[in-house]
Amino acid sequence: EVQLVESGGGLVQPGGSLRLSCAASGFSFSGHWMIWVRQAPGKGLEWVANIKEDGSQKYYVDSVKGRFTISRDNAKNSLYLEMSSLRAEDTALYYCARDYSWLQADYWGQGTPVTVSS
Amino acid sequence: QSALTQPRSVSGSPGQSVTISCIGTSSDVGGYNYVSWYQQHPGKAPKFMIYDVSKRPSGVPDRFSGSKSGNTASLTISGLQAEDEADYYCCSYAGSLSVVFGGGTKLTVL
Repeated sequence: EVQLVESGGGLVQPGGSLRLSCAASGFSFSGHWMIWVRQAPGKGLEWVANIKEDGSQKYYVDSVKGRFTISRDNAKNSLYLEMSSLRAEDTALYYCARDYSWLQADYWGQGTPVTVSS
Repeated sequence: QSALTQPRSVSGSPGQSVTISCIGTSSDVGGYNYVSWYQQHPGKAPKFMIYDVSKRPSGVPDRFSGSKSGNTASLTISGLQAEDEADYYCCSYAGSLSVVFGGGTKLTVL
């Protein structure tokens, strides 16, 4: 059974940093692109970043470029999102998801909440 | 990277059909056959319902169908059931290894 379990969310002050993790199981992690998607409270879904199977290619939505870094450790079946210079508008539930093909996500975790507030 | 345009809400009675539109541009919906649809119940993670415009993943009822014409994609749900009440999001590949989501549509089953 495919499972994705996010962790690392929490309350952080504006300008602060946070590292999200996503533990994957039940499939060949190293064989899939992986994706981070976020959802602000009461709002819609927003693609944040994605990373190639071997970590050699990474892409970001414009609003997080230069502040967020996506990475992965295939030996640990884990996906990460390093977030810095956090802003109030980054407040959201952050989901990790598995790419089925062309960034269409077939499995999603339950999300980890991030709140940026003083 | 502008969001795709979806109606904020649609409704239908049990047994009826409803269609949710998703309007993009030639740079996303119109340019690629990689449109997907997700169902999200309150407090739950999104569920993969349609991919490649009109294909259904295993386990998704055939009451759910997808299509595309030009820059507009559509999700049609036939034989509406109470459990179909949820938010629905479209998503399209937008080139350069990026995707864009629609703003979401709340489906109410009357």
